[in-house]
Amino acid sequence: QKEVEQDPGPLSVPEGAIVSLNCTYSNSAFQYFMWYRQYSRKGPELLMYTYSSGNKEDGRFTAQVDKSSKYISLFIRDSQPSDSATYLCAMSDIAGGTSYGKLTFGQGTILTVHP
Amino acid sequence: NAGVTQTPKFQVLKTGQSMTLQCAQDMNHEYMSWYRQDPGMGLRLIHYSVGAGITDQGEVPNGYNVSRSTTEDFPLRLLSAAPSQTSVYFCASSDSGLAGFNEQFFGPGTRLTVL
Repeated sequence: QKEVEQDPGPLSVPEGAIVSLNCTYSNSAFQYFMWYRQYSRKGPELLMYTYSSGNKEDGRFTAQVDKSSKYISLFIRDSQPSDSATYLCAMSDIAGGTSYGKLTFGQGTILTVHP
Repeated sequence: NAGVTQTPKFQVLKTGQSMTLQCAQDMNHEYMSWYRQDPGMGLRLIHYSVGAGITDQGEVPNGYNVSRSTTEDFPLRLLSAAPSQTSVYFCASSDSGLAGFNEQFFGPGTRLTVL
């Protein structure tokens, strides 16, 4: 079983919809929780990160972490066609954020927002 | 800053051939990593380095070799290519601050096909 599980989708929604993306994990040592966005044939780019449990909001994006349930979520409000991409959750297991450059990724969810 | 650069962008090899994937960064980052991305698998860590002369194995190191002679460069060597190494390879780098979050920056990727 993978340390981080993410539903690969694909997920197709109409413009303006609220999108919910989720990951579960098994390693209690994870402390930093990240969401990366990857456009087709490009490298991943950091969208948001959260330290430990709680919520974080950035514009239309909200990240939530529930360490007691080992569950993280990314919500996208008022989704736009430009949000169409693969969304990857990632985690690291020590303070310092990147754990010597070692991230554990979920499988990625392919999202399409159609006009 | 060019950020993280990778060459080549595309490569086709025959089984048994060897090659080196190049990665360079101009951000003076201590940490560098190599990941491979396969459909439905997310990104998996191959090797990582915490500084010049220091490397270690990740989740899927077999068939790959790395060395780090300078801060800027972190090449990945395929010793004898196999069809199972057909994948998209990403190089990443991050700072080494001891406190707080250090964003990991990814290159544009190298698409490798082994026939």
